[in-house]
Amino acid sequence: AQKVTQAQTEISVVEKEDVTLDCVYETRDTTYYLFWYKQPPSGELVFLIRRNSFDEQNEISGRYSWNFQKSTSSFNFTITASQVVDSAVYFCALSEASTGRRALTFGSGTRLQVQP
Amino acid sequence: GAGVSQSPRYKVAKRGQDVALRCDPISGHVSLFWYQQALGQGPEFLTYFQNEAQLDKSGLPSDRFFAERPEGSVSTLKIQRTQQEDSAVYLCASSLYGATQETQYFGPGTRLLVL
Repeated sequence: AQKVTQAQTEISVVEKEDVTLDCVYETRDTTYYLFWYKQPPSGELVFLIRRNSFDEQNEISGRYSWNFQKSTSSFNFTITASQVVDSAVYFCALSEASTGRRALTFGSGTRLQVQP
Repeated sequence: GAGVSQSPRYKVAKRGQDVALRCDPISGHVSLFWYQQALGQGPEFLTYFQNEAQLDKSGLPSDRFFAERPEGSVSTLKIQRTQQEDSAVYLCASSLYGATQETQYFGPGTRLLVL
């Protein structure tokens, strides 16, 4: 069965520090998709990125970057030069192609607090 | 609309009451999902619709939970005889077709508190 583990429950950093949020996943499927979502205090889950299992290229979007490594089943998320507005709960999620299930399996989230 | 909307945003119910939660997906999105998010946890899947067809309800925790999407657009999640363990945020999401690679876009959620 699929599983997503976010071992870091809470991280606190000072503004301008770099921070990495870890995500480890388990799946038996060879085709799968990984996602990161941000949940600010307002509660809405905001989509950040989607990766498929065949694309291990790292991605950078502004201050955000993602490191996907199939060898370690990890999909880590780094925020460079963090800002107070980055404070939120971040979720990693997985969906599998072959099962036909459309549901996302989420990790338990990492709460990031960026102090000014 | 521009995004997924949900109503009410907050609901307080007495134990044993029935509640109905509404989700309005992004216009034109075929697929609609319901998730339950307990405090301090990640969302957990409840059920999935493609148009009006409920294709997966494997996540519904009991027969007190019922969802419908009669015209393939707005969906209602109904919880009968609410229990305290039903207290959670109920999130709705939609996607264009529902393929596994598609991004699901989430609404703001309904926070349900059962007293």
